[in-house]
Amino acid sequence: GIQVEQSPPDLILQEGANSTLRCNFSDSVNNLQWFHQNPWGQLINLFYIPSGTKQNGRLSATTVATERYSLLYISSSQTTDSGVYFCAVVGYNQGGKLIFGQGTELSVKP
Amino acid sequence: DVKVTQSSRYLVKRTGEKVFLECVQDMDHENMFWYRQDPGLGLRLIYFSYDVKMKEKGDIPEGYSVSREKKERFSLILESASTNQTSMYLCASSIAGLNTGELFFGEGSRLTVL
Repeated sequence: GIQVEQSPPDLILQEGANSTLRCNFSDSVNNLQWFHQNPWGQLINLFYIPSGTKQNGRLSATTVATERYSLLYISSSQTTDSGVYFCAVVGYNQGGKLIFGQGTELSVKP
Repeated sequence: DVKVTQSSRYLVKRTGEKVFLECVQDMDHENMFWYRQDPGLGLRLIYFSYDVKMKEKGDIPEGYSVSREKKERFSLILESASTNQTSMYLCASSIAGLNTGELFFGEGSRLTVL
């Protein structure tokens, strides 16, 4: 099946810093989402981005489907950005199942 | 806004008990999913459903069953709970289609089996 790799696994930032999280996937996809898991465990939708670029406030994402990767940019990080960021994809022959990466755990220090 | 509601945020059960985890969505989504999340193992798909009374096994269906009698409700059943089923359970829904569309998750249910 399709493999999803996220990097880095852990990241510590000072408040105000910028960061880039990466998601590589092993096969063509027709669905890619970025989530933020808050401290209470809920997965919050950040972006639905099978291709192209989107921006939402301090966050933006780019997916280059032909090269099988996606990037999540966080600018001017805040302590509330802390948590785990997941990338998840659906491959063309995966029956619609969303496959998750292992996540990047972000800690933003004041 | 899409809302996916899971019936219980925290549950504590005894080994051998039958456990029901309920999930309700309010956006008329066809697809519904149950995942479990464990440290070091990430999110793994247990079961999913494309329509009422339809179900498909995910990657780890053993020890679980599901029920989808109404479009808005998808239940996960542990027939005889065991300690290795202690986990965070996450329900999700999306519109129809094999590319799934955007998935929306509930708040999660933390189950402890003693």
